[in-house]
Amino acid sequence: AQSVAQPEDQVNVAEGNPLTVKCTYSVSGNPYLFWYVQYPNRGLQFLLKYITGDNLVKGSYGFEAEFNKSQTSFHLKKPSALVSDSALYFCAVRDRTGGFKTIFGAGTRLFVKA
Amino acid sequence: DTAVSQTPKYLVTQMGNDKSIKCEQNLGHDTMYWYKQDSKKFLKIMFSYNNKELIINETVPNRFSPKSPDKAHLNLHINSLELGDSAVYFCASSQGAGTSTDTQYFGPGTRLTVL
Repeated sequence: AQSVAQPEDQVNVAEGNPLTVKCTYSVSGNPYLFWYVQYPNRGLQFLLKYITGDNLVKGSYGFEAEFNKSQTSFHLKKPSALVSDSALYFCAVRDRTGGFKTIFGAGTRLFVKA
Repeated sequence: DTAVSQTPKYLVTQMGNDKSIKCEQNLGHDTMYWYKQDSKKFLKIMFSYNNKELIINETVPNRFSPKSPDKAHLNLHINSLELGDSAVYFCASSQGAGTSTDTQYFGPGTRLTVL
């Protein structure tokens, strides 16, 4: 069965510092991996996804994520955090057996302090 | 201009009532979804339709009934509302039929409060 874990409920970082939001996954085959962001009182917005190819994926707003197959991880990163990055971040996974079911992690709240 | 829209944005109702939430997407997508986000922000798939056909039906009480009159619309009807139904309900859509690579586009959510 597919599962996604986001081990941190909350991440605090100072503006200008690098940030990392962690995600690990479990699927039966090779995964498709996604990151979404949710701002207060808004729906989720797509940030980036890993399908195949280069393990480092670049996405919106300067975010990137690194797919690590051996560690079954897909951590979200940004070199320099902005206060406006403060939001709820969701990691999600689908496996390659097809189907439309996406499993979302529990979410990690990112606070960027000025 | 809104890609995925939901109405109403807020819904406050009494236990035992029946209510509906509507969703429309103007992206030309083939697949639409309903998710429930609880008070702890945990997001769980409820239903998915592809070209008006139900393809995902998670363990959801049968008081919840989705209806897709066409591939641009997916409505959610809830009978006999219970306190535990209070949550934010998100509609989403994605392109294509059968691929797992598709990005989902989410609506703004409907905050349902059952009193």
